[in-house]
This record gives sequence, structure tokens and C-alpha cells, in this order.
Amino acid sequence: ILNVEQSPQSLHVQEGDSTNFTCSFPSSNFYALHWYRWETAKSPEALFVMTLNGDEKKKGRISATLNTKEGYSYLYIKGSQPEDSATYLCAFNNNNDMRFGAGTRLTVKP
Amino acid sequence: DAGVTQSPTHLIKTRGQQVTLRCSPISGHKSVSWYQQVLGQGPQFIFQYYEKEERGRGNFPDRFSARQFPNYSSELNVNALLLGDSALYLCASSFARVGTEAFFGQGTRLTVV
Repeated sequence: ILNVEQSPQSLHVQEGDSTNFTCSFPSSNFYALHWYRWETAKSPEALFVMTLNGDEKKKGRISATLNTKEGYSYLYIKGSQPEDSATYLCAFNNNNDMRFGAGTRLTVKP
Repeated sequence: DAGVTQSPTHLIKTRGQQVTLRCSPISGHKSVSWYQQVLGQGPQFIFQYYEKEERGRGNFPDRFSARQFPNYSSELNVNALLLGDSALYLCASSFARVGTEAFFGQGTRLTVV
């Protein structure tokens, strides 16, 4: 994998559902993997930065895992709420740049 | 403490003109990165400046240039504007060059007509 790929592209869930997204990234020259939450008309908001293989981070109902050897990260949202509706971006940090995926657009229906 | 601030928020330019976008990082942050975001895509990396030196460059033509000032603020310049340069330009600041949280400004929406 040369670029950062995110799946699914979009997701519609009901309030209370748990969900997860995938981020795939190059497994070489790895420095860090970032997750951002981006609401319309706002700035992207940093959720997590992970640097070590096996890292797991948690913030409230949102958590993330990292596998640098195989080049993937998962973002989990437990008990989705309408206010979780946003685009979730992951970004792969190597020594030269930070490459973003196209994002997963999450819509949580009340 | 103020977050990352960008100016202007919106801008309309004509093809062939030049534009300068400005970014003030969070106090204490020494790294400033610039991104271009078009609808349906993630932000595309343009430049990173750290300690006033260019530390990374994305796949953008030489019409794009940037600099970082002693107070760590930054400017992005785009010459000979094309219609395809119309996009949201985001600036992000972080404390370290890699591996720390990057905080984004709200962006400058550039429209080239």
C-alpha cells in the first residue's frame, strides 16, 4: 500500500449502535498514525496519535488500535450518538509528510 | 490560549493571479504544515515547516511556496493561479515535527475564477 485507504467511505447507523472503521497505510517508514474527527464547517479535531505497534487509545466511547507491521488501524465507536456524526480521517506520518485518507463519513440517525 | 488562526477565511481570485495565505500557530508550537483539501478527498500535504526550515514537501508544483517566520507563523504563496487551485487550504500546527497532535485552523476557502 502506497497511500492511506479508509473504509467504508460512508456509514449510516442507528443511535446506540456500535461501529468501526478501518485505516490501511504503508507499513514502511512509519512514524505515527493519527485519527481526526471533522465536522462540517469546523476544523479537524485530533482524536488520537499512536506511535507504537499494538497501541490502543481510548477517549470516552471512542477507541483505536494500531498494527504497524501489517499497516492498519481500527477506530471503534461504542453506542453511537447523533453528535458522533462527522467525517473520521486517519493520517499516516512518515519522515517527510503526513498523508490523509479520504475519510469515513458517519451518519448516526436518532 | 488561541487556537490556530488562518486568514483570510474566504478569498476569490482570478486565474493567473497570485495569493498569499497566512497561518498563526498555537503558542509554543514550532511546526506548521499546509494542506489542500478538495471535496470528496482527504487533505493533501503541501509543506511542513519546522524551526523555520522546510522539512517536508508534497507533490505540488513550484507555483506553491511557503515560509515560516521567527515567530513561527507561516505564509503559503501560490503563483499563476489555476482554476484547479480552488480548494480549502488548511494549516496545522504541532509542537514536534512528527508524532504529536496536530491542531488545525478553520481553513481558507480559495475560489479561482
